[in-house]
Amino acid sequence: SQKIEQNSEALNIQEGKTATLTCNYTNYSPAYLQWYRQDPGRGPVFLLLIRENEKEKRKERLKVTFDTTLKQSLFHITASQPADSATYLCALAPISGYSTLTFGKGTMLLVSP
Amino acid sequence: DAGITQSPRHKVTETGTPVTLRCHQTENHRYMYWYRQDPGHGLRLIHYSYGVKDTDKGEVSDGYSVSRSKTEDFLLTLESATSSQTSVYFCAISTGTGGAGNQPQHFGDGTRLSIL
Repeated sequence: SQKIEQNSEALNIQEGKTATLTCNYTNYSPAYLQWYRQDPGRGPVFLLLIRENEKEKRKERLKVTFDTTLKQSLFHITASQPADSATYLCALAPISGYSTLTFGKGTMLLVSP
Repeated sequence: DAGITQSPRHKVTETGTPVTLRCHQTENHRYMYWYRQDPGHGLRLIHYSYGVKDTDKGEVSDGYSVSRSKTEDFLLTLESATSSQTSVYFCAISTGTGGAGNQPQHFGDGTRLSIL
């Protein structure tokens, strides 16, 4: 069966360090992979999108990698800040042209001062 | 701001009653989605729409129906609510004209529904 796995345990790091979150998938051949941020009581907010033929994508302090051989995406936040504390979701679109995304369960990130 | 409004934001109702949740967008995007989010399950797609009167089922569609008679409104109905449908419901739009994968989705702030 198809699975998207994100660490269920919260990631605790100190301010200024780099946070790395993992998204693994099985029995998928995604054309696109997206990352979202969700704060308590709010809807998810889009952060980054990466295509299957892209290895890496950056936006300010954020970096996403996409390894279709390992079936894994890594999401990095450099110089983390307490304001980065949130739950981060990855989402996959199976093939180009499909209308839906499938989301992972998310990983909570806690950045302490 | 994608201009998505969900109503109501909170609702408590009893088992067996019908419930309708509304999602309204201000920008006339083609694709709209309804998700539910539960602890341990994450965000799961219920139904989605790719145009007026064009809808399709998602992963967890049993017990739910949808309607889209206008571009800007997407309604989710629980015909006879059950306690297992207690959840937080999110509406989303995609700004793309084709598939959702290559475009971000923009979410409303959710409806917290409790069925007693």
